[in-house]
Amino acid sequence: DSGVTQTPKHLITATGQRVTLRCSPRSGDLSVYWYQQSLDQGLQFLIQYYNGEERAKGNILERFSAQQFPDLHSELNLSSLELGDSALYFCASSVNPRGYTEAFFGQGTRLTVV
Amino acid sequence: GENVEQHPSTLSVQEGDSAVIKCTYSDSASNYFPWYKQELGKRPQLIIDIRSNVGEKKDQRIAVTLNKTAKHFSLHITETQPEDSAVYFCAAKGGEKLVFGKGTKLTVNP
Repeated sequence: DSGVTQTPKHLITATGQRVTLRCSPRSGDLSVYWYQQSLDQGLQFLIQYYNGEERAKGNILERFSAQQFPDLHSELNLSSLELGDSALYFCASSVNPRGYTEAFFGQGTRLTVV
Repeated sequence: GENVEQHPSTLSVQEGDSAVIKCTYSDSASNYFPWYKQELGKRPQLIIDIRSNVGEKKDQRIAVTLNKTAKHFSLHITETQPEDSAVYFCAAKGGEKLVFGKGTKLTVNP
């Protein structure tokens, strides 16, 4: 157990819908990263937060948004869902975004868009 | 932004052989290079990492080397065992972004 909690574990929804994925970082970690894992696409970096503030953005679609709350949990919102958004979404947390600190991954949320 | 290329995408070895996975990165400011192992259906987990001021690091059967000039880093697994079968990801961190390669599926045949 990494200490990073993601909910829900599985999500099945229809095209055009909106979903929210939740991540609670390890106790003491201030930084949260979101990644999308599709078949053969590795871990695509989406976005990163530190202590409530957006710090880095990757290949995140405009239909996707995220935020980190004062209690440090983070939510990834996916809207106008398409079949191609089906993937495993991971969040990871670390003590701080800089330096040589390990990122700990949650178990992921498997999103299936039908 | 940072781009990490990883090769090969699949690797099959016999038990007891060595396995080598190579990565290149684009951002010369990157200073931290972790390697993660992801078993089927599980989360990625850190197996070893190296900082930019170190050329090599070893932990039992695994080692990582870094060539900053060439912007290359590699993972070496010796005396492979069937339980080493998994997908391995390299990553590079420059600033605050942690960017991963596309992964190498390693199969160790008994």
